[in-house]
Amino acid sequence: AQSVTQLDSHVSVSEGTPVLLRCNYSSSYSPSLFWYVQHPNKGLQLLLKYTSAATLVKGINGFEAEFKKSETSFHLTKPSAHMSDAAEYFCVVSAGGASDKLIFGTGTRLQVFP
Amino acid sequence: GAVVSQHPSRVICKSGTSVKIECRSLDFQATTMFWYRQFPKQSLMLMATSNEGSKATYEQGVEKDKFLINHASLTLSTLTVTSAHPEDSSFYICSASSGGHSYNEQFFGPGTRLTVL
Repeated sequence: AQSVTQLDSHVSVSEGTPVLLRCNYSSSYSPSLFWYVQHPNKGLQLLLKYTSAATLVKGINGFEAEFKKSETSFHLTKPSAHMSDAAEYFCVVSAGGASDKLIFGTGTRLQVFP
Repeated sequence: GAVVSQHPSRVICKSGTSVKIECRSLDFQATTMFWYRQFPKQSLMLMATSNEGSKATYEQGVEKDKFLINHASLTLSTLTVTSAHPEDSSFYICSASSGGHSYNEQFFGPGTRLTVL
């Protein structure tokens, strides 16, 4: 069965410093992986997705993630945090096969301090 | 990008009543819609998957008679919480997809916060 583990429930950074949100996955096949962001009172927004193409995936708002099969990781990074990045971030894996199902991690709340 | 709306955004109801939540894809045809439940400070849990014109597929542990899902058209799915109880209070989120492959993006609605008194 597919699953994702987000290693940190909370991450706090200062504005202008790098962001690292960690995610490890478990999958019996080559997975599709996603990062979604959830701002308060707004729908989840797709930041980026990995679907077996380039291992370094660039997303919106300066975020990127690297798929590392040897480490079963898909960490999300951003070189310089902005106040508007404060939100809940979810690492997500597809259930696989013909299914569209997504399996969500437990989320990481990012706080950005001025 | 594709837009998915939900109505209402918030609803408060008395225990024992039924509540209907609508999920609409505004600018694309959604062959598949998903319903999730999110408890405070927790992740999203998939409740059911619905394909237009067919019965919904419920995840293990989700009562299909309590959470009625209808996907009557390619732009509308509804979730009805029947005989709601306080433990049904939660944040309900829908998403919509236009295809049948695992890498197709799901577009999420803003969610509906249900409070059962």
